[in-house]
This record gives sequence, C-alpha cells and structure tokens, in this order.
Amino acid sequence: GAGVSQSPSNKVTEKGKDVELRCDPISGHTALYWYRQSLGQGLEFLIYFQGNSAPDKSGLPSDRFSAERTGGSVSTLTIQRTQQEDSAVYLCASSRGYSYNEQFFGPGTRLTVL
Amino acid sequence: GDSVTQMEGPVTLSEEAFLTINCTYTATGYPSLFWYVQYPGEGLQLLLKATKADDKGSNKGFEATYRKETTSFHLEKGSVQVSDSAVYFCALSDRNDMRFGAGTRLTVKP
Repeated sequence: GAGVSQSPSNKVTEKGKDVELRCDPISGHTALYWYRQSLGQGLEFLIYFQGNSAPDKSGLPSDRFSAERTGGSVSTLTIQRTQQEDSAVYLCASSRGYSYNEQFFGPGTRLTVL
Repeated sequence: GDSVTQMEGPVTLSEEAFLTINCTYTATGYPSLFWYVQYPGEGLQLLLKATKADDKGSNKGFEATYRKETTSFHLEKGSVQVSDSAVYFCALSDRNDMRFGAGTRLTVKP
C-alpha cells in the first residue's frame, strides 16, 4: 500500500511569510508525528496526534508553530512569520498507535527561509 | 525528560570491519528502544527494535540488546558492507513520544 506522503517536497519562502506543510499518513494509522531535522542535527520531536485525543504539543519550539489533523487522517503543520532558523527538513511519521510500534516516515519537506 | 545520547560521528570503516555505535538513554518509565537508518537520499526506516529489558533486536546482520542495568542499546554488526553506509539513529519511545539521538553517519570504504 501507499506509504506516508508529504507535500511539498521543497519549499522556499521569504522571512516573515507563513507556510503550510502537509502530511498524508498511512491509511488506518491512528498516530501521527511531526519532527524537524536541521542540518547536522538529529530529529527534534514537534507534535504527536493519537486518534481523537488532544495532541501532545510539547515539542513545538514557539507559538509560531501549530498543527492540526482533520478527520484523524491528513495533518497540516503551519509555521507563521517564518524565520531563517526555521530552515530544516520537516518529517512526518505515522504508526498504528502504540509506543512500541514502528513509525513509518515520509520523505520530508525541505523548508528554506531566505 | 527522556533523552537519547549516541556516539558522535562520523565513523569510517573498511569493508568487513566490526561496527559498534553506542547509544545510552535516560527515561523515567520503561521505554521501547529502536534503531532507525537513513540511507543516502532516502527516508528514515526502522532497522530493529526491542520492547523490554534483555530483548535483542536484529535485522540485516545488525544487533542491539536492551540493557536496563547500563541503560544502553548499542548497535553492532560483525562485518560491515559498503551498502551499510548511512546515518543511524537511536531512539526511545515512552508513553506518547519518541526521542531520537543526533544520528551517527557511517561510511564504509571498499
């Protein structure tokens, strides 16, 4: 079946603009994660959705970052008033929902803020 | 909070050499432990996992044992190949989130 897909694959924006990044998880996966991978850095957890529960937003770096998940499927990560330090690869992953289950990662969106 | 510390890279080995990438963790609960791999130009994919103490995860010749007493989950392979060149991430999952290490870049030369 189809894996996790993300769009766009690349996004170049100007400082101060808002961006939206999209993630389509694997069908039937109840858990969805967003991560940020900066150059030379590891993966930074941003936010976690599990079914209809309130999301775990503990990893969001500032109030400029927000995410939603509509209908328990597609998710959108929004970054408002982008800054140059937001430049990174944003990864989405989904899983069957239990903490010991494998996460399946999308190819990522490379965001460049000029 | 929970965290993962893994060996800094980059690591460069000759083909057929023995590989160890160290990983230690801190967690308040009883996490599951993972190694993910990112091959050049590809997305992250699960390499192996262990869900409880003393479990050994293995895949593609790689092994890691969940050691609660030393809070470690070191990755090993007896004989690496050029095709193993990639970035390796140690991770833990406890309750709702996943914490990743910084990643270790491995280059295997023929």
